[in-house]
Amino acid sequence: GAVVSQHPSWVICKSGTSVKIECRSLDFQATTMFWYRQFPKQSLMLMATSNEGSKATYEQGVEKDKFLINHASLTLSTLTVTSAHPEDSSFYICSARDLWEGPDTQYFGPGTRLTVL
Amino acid sequence: QQQVKQSPQSLIVQKGGISIINCAYENTAFDYFPWYQQFPGKGPALLIAIRPDVSEKKEGRFTISFNKSAKQFSLHIMDSQPGDSATYFCAARPISSGSARQLTFGSGTQLTVLP
Repeated sequence: GAVVSQHPSWVICKSGTSVKIECRSLDFQATTMFWYRQFPKQSLMLMATSNEGSKATYEQGVEKDKFLINHASLTLSTLTVTSAHPEDSSFYICSARDLWEGPDTQYFGPGTRLTVL
Repeated sequence: QQQVKQSPQSLIVQKGGISIINCAYENTAFDYFPWYQQFPGKGPALLIAIRPDVSEKKEGRFTISFNKSAKQFSLHIMDSQPGDSATYFCAARPISSGSARQLTFGSGTQLTVLP
């Protein structure tokens, strides 16, 4: 099956610093990738949808200047949390849609645990 | 506004028993209903999915029952095993002309299967 990887799997940073999270589709091309945020024992909340070569579409309430998304190629999307604060600590999960398999497919990455001190 | 409501929040089942998780959707037309399984510290993994033109779909021990008129769908796990202990999310994808068609997730059910 299709594999989506994320790097790093966990990161600890100081308040005020920026953190970049990578999401890669390893064996397929993904024109669309999604970024989710998940707090402990809660559901996945969609943050933004990124399409290769164009600007990301952010969900209401998500600060686009704080959560920078770049989808520069068909296999890579990055999420940068700028000037991170403790309240940004969360589990960030990306998913990717296979270009050739259609809208039913959405493969999830293993997630990145961000802790901001 | 939560468009997909999931219950129960938590469920404890004895090994060999049947686990049943329910979801209901409201107002918005959806055309694809997947269920995801998530283990602690991991991303969700697709378990099984159904379209509204089918009332039931079975894959191994997992069955989705779909009631279009009631706007409800449920996951049944037969012969539940301790390895099934995880959080389960239902989801729904809206009918739309947009290319994104993002999934809307339920709130999740934490399943514990006792040995």
